[in-house]
Amino acid sequence: EVQLVESGGGLIQPGGSLRLSCAASGFSVTNNFMTWVRQAPGKGLEWVSVIHTSGSTFYADSVKGRFTISRDNPKNTLYLQMNSLRAEDSAVYYCARDLLVGNYYFYAMDLWGQGTTVTVSS
Amino acid sequence: QSALTQPASVSGSPGQSITISCTGTSSDVGTYALVSWYQQHPGKAPKLMIFEVTKRPSGVSNRFSGSKSGNAAYLTISGLQAEDEADYYCCSYLSSRTLMFGGGTKLTVL
Repeated sequence: EVQLVESGGGLIQPGGSLRLSCAASGFSVTNNFMTWVRQAPGKGLEWVSVIHTSGSTFYADSVKGRFTISRDNPKNTLYLQMNSLRAEDSAVYYCARDLLVGNYYFYAMDLWGQGTTVTVSS
Repeated sequence: QSALTQPASVSGSPGQSITISCTGTSSDVGTYALVSWYQQHPGKAPKLMIFEVTKRPSGVSNRFSGSKSGNAAYLTISGLQAEDEADYYCCSYLSSRTLMFGGGTKLTVL
C-alpha cells in the first residue's frame, strides 16, 4: 500500500528540539520531492520545507536556520529536525509527496500522511 | 511574503455552483502556472483536487475545475453536494522554489 506515516510529535518546552519522522511505503522517498506542511490549531496550512531528489533543500522563512529536512534512503524515511522551538511552531505536521508525472514535478502534494502533533509549551 | 488571499467563507445550496478566488501577486500566481487546490475535511489530511491551475488528479470528480486570470486563481465546484462541505486551500509556487498557501476558505453547503 502506498502511504506515509508520521511520528515523533509531542509536548516540548520552548527552546527544545524534536525530530519528526515520516515512514514511506509503496514508493521511494529518494525518487520523489518530499515536503513538510504544518497547520496550527484552528489555522490554515503553512508550507514548511521540501527536499528534492537531488538532495537540495528549501525552507520557509519562518523556520530557516532552525529546522532541517533530511531523508534516510535504506529506511525510506523522511525527517524534520526542529531546533530552538517556539510556541508558534505548535501545529500538526504533515509530510507529503510531490506529484510526479514522467520526469516533471508539479509542486503539488498528491499523497499526505495523517499528521503528527507538536505542542511547544512550558 | 503574505499568504495568498482567499475569502474566509462561501456557501451554496445543493446543485448550485460556487467559485473560490485566490489572489496573489505578479511574483507568484501571476507568473507561474503551478497553482494547486486542496480540500480538507475536519480532522483529516488535505486532499489534492487541482494542480497546474486546471488539471485534476485521477479520481477527483469533474465537478471540480480550476482557472486563472492575471494574479488570481479560481476553484469552481459545480453541482454542489453535501460532501463538498470542507475547507479549501490554494497554493502557489514561488520563485525561490518554495510554496505558499492561501488562508483557506470554509465552504458551507446549505
